[in-house]
Amino acid sequence: SSELTQDPAVSVALGQTVRITCQGDSLRSYYASWYQQKPGQAPVLVIYGKNNRPSGIPDRFSGSSSGNTASLTITGAQAEDEADYYCNSRDSSGNRVVFGGGTKLTVL
Amino acid sequence: EVQLVESGGGLVQPGRSLRLSCAASGFTFDDYAMHWVRQAPGKGLEWVSGISWNSGSIGYADSVKGRFTISRDNAKNSLYLQMNSLRAEDMALYYCAKGLYPRGQLAPDDAFDIWGQGTMVTVSS
Repeated sequence: SSELTQDPAVSVALGQTVRITCQGDSLRSYYASWYQQKPGQAPVLVIYGKNNRPSGIPDRFSGSSSGNTASLTITGAQAEDEADYYCNSRDSSGNRVVFGGGTKLTVL
Repeated sequence: EVQLVESGGGLVQPGRSLRLSCAASGFTFDDYAMHWVRQAPGKGLEWVSGISWNSGSIGYADSVKGRFTISRDNAKNSLYLQMNSLRAEDMALYYCAKGLYPRGQLAPDDAFDIWGQGTMVTVSS
């Protein structure tokens, strides 16, 4: 089992806002990074650090953190945002990287 | 163009070995940590191993520690994963991934900004 916990599935109506969460004790000390993965494709980094987007990632993607929970928010979800989303950070020892179990986002 | 290309996957019997390679191009390879991440069919991402820019710091997931060895050759811009005593549960698509932060920069997270397309490892008799 992962030390980072994500809801297995989340849905959002087209154009609405959705928050995907990632919980873990290590998030009190480390930021989470967020990845989008579409079927048959490699993951793509969408958020890193406090709330940073790599070049080419739309500004509807944002990140935040509070206590042991990191969140990825998509404001005005688009059909092309339908994908699996993963968080990653350190494990509780701080010595290894861990991924959350992933959240499947459905855009209705 | 920044690119990572994995190779070396294939069908292998349980208990046997396999060596994966990752060829990097388009960036200064020896400035960055590198990682292996795997994904079993229909499952989520699992970090396997990571190595610092100068090989001075190496880490492994508990699931592979003692069986897998990560290494890099900065002169060849290449990353490797030696996998021994393979098990059925090691069957997965193995991705090579680049750490976001260059050496000397404090890393507040473990972001991987560049990923290869993966190489499939099938463990079966």
